[in-house]
Amino acid sequence: DIQMTQSPSTLSASVGDRVTITCRASQSISNWLAWYQQKPGKVPKLLIYRASNLEDGVPSRFSGSGSGTEFTLTISSLQPDDFATYYCQQYNSYWTFGQGTKVEIK
Amino acid sequence: QLQLQESGPGLVKPSETLSLTCTVSGDSINNSSFYWGWIRQPPGKGLEWVGSIYYSGNTYYNPSLKSRVTISVDTSKNQFSLRLTSVTAADTAVYYCARTTVTFDYWGQGTLVTVSS
Repeated sequence: DIQMTQSPSTLSASVGDRVTITCRASQSISNWLAWYQQKPGKVPKLLIYRASNLEDGVPSRFSGSGSGTEFTLTISSLQPDDFATYYCQQYNSYWTFGQGTKVEIK
Repeated sequence: QLQLQESGPGLVKPSETLSLTCTVSGDSINNSSFYWGWIRQPPGKGLEWVGSIYYSGNTYYNPSLKSRVTISVDTSKNQFSLRLTSVTAADTAVYYCARTTVTFDYWGQGTLVTVSS
């Protein structure tokens, strides 16, 4: 089984900050990685697929990078709407989610 | 517009079987481009992939749940279903159905299933 580990688990930041979340895979997954955003009580929303491709309608302040076992999600200038929990997900072998990173207001 | 809707009991007794159905509208479940999957989320916790099915009936299960999970498809009703046997309190979660390629791009609203006597 491929395990996905995100860091940090919680991140405190202010509006306008540059934010980076890391996701590590237990084995190489090439670029078969997606990122989701979830707000409390809401359905997860796909942000990025194939590690760096922005889903239609997602603001350009979101970006993804990485390949192999290490990946990052970056929010270039944090906006009030971005306070949420973010999950990575691999699809190299079945499907596995990371444990999530909560971005909270500092 | 693609829509998915979960349905089924919101309360299941320990040791019994959880059964949920996902009804798909706006696309055919026979569409060979997609898989159809179940994801769950215990209260206050993260997302866990449960399993996925292809329209042909090929199934893929989370290894940690494989012995208890069955996913089936009914193409005539444009539905797919989840059965989880021998449930415990640890299976209490919001269960989502979703369309899957390699990502989960369309989700149902989710349904809370509580395991309790």
